[in-house]
Amino acid sequence: EAGVTQFPSHSVIEKGQTVTLRCDPISGHDNLYWYRRVMGKEIKFLLHFVKESKQDESGMPNNRFLAERTGGTYSTLKVQPAELEDSGVYFCASSPSGGPNIQYFGAGTRLSVL
Amino acid sequence: GEDVEQSLFLSVREGDSSVINCTYTDSSSTYLYWYKQEPGAGLQLLTYIFSNMDMKQDQRLTVLLNKKDKHLSLRIADTQTGDSAIYFCAETPRGYQKVTFGTGTKLQVIP
Repeated sequence: EAGVTQFPSHSVIEKGQTVTLRCDPISGHDNLYWYRRVMGKEIKFLLHFVKESKQDESGMPNNRFLAERTGGTYSTLKVQPAELEDSGVYFCASSPSGGPNIQYFGAGTRLSVL
Repeated sequence: GEDVEQSLFLSVREGDSSVINCTYTDSSSTYLYWYKQEPGAGLQLLTYIFSNMDMKQDQRLTVLLNKKDKHLSLRIADTQTGDSAIYFCAETPRGYQKVTFGTGTKLQVIP
């Protein structure tokens, strides 16, 4: 069974540009999460989808970040316009409904904003 | 509060036991986790413990939970060079699905 996959693995963009990150969760997982780790800091929660609905977006830093999960399958996270402080590693995770909250993580997308 | 604290670095010799410690502040946490991140890889769930347990053992891994002191530890027996990685302590506060992570402890295993 495929795990959580993220694309691209690395993105280098200039300040002011737009970048879209994609996450494909494990098939059948209703819950999808985005996290990010900026340099030297903790991994921080961004938001949580249950199917296509945003359950908790309390961690989204500002309105330059837009997450979508149309159809309740894969999700995208768009940063527009990107700023230098957005650089970091963006992780996606998924988990099934019910049972213990065991989240399975992707390898992450390393975003470098120059 | 949502702070989870860990020491940043631990160095051990191959074959010795490693003990990675973590303190957390949210006493309502339902689950506590240990994740492992190898270079260039994602976060791999190593083990988790439910808050009503005080110990869990899984092969070379032993997790100890002291709820009174809000202290979680991960012991790796017979540490191997393949155990070199960053280990993250994490918790899920009651009523939430999000996971709160510590800063991570980099484990270096010396051959």
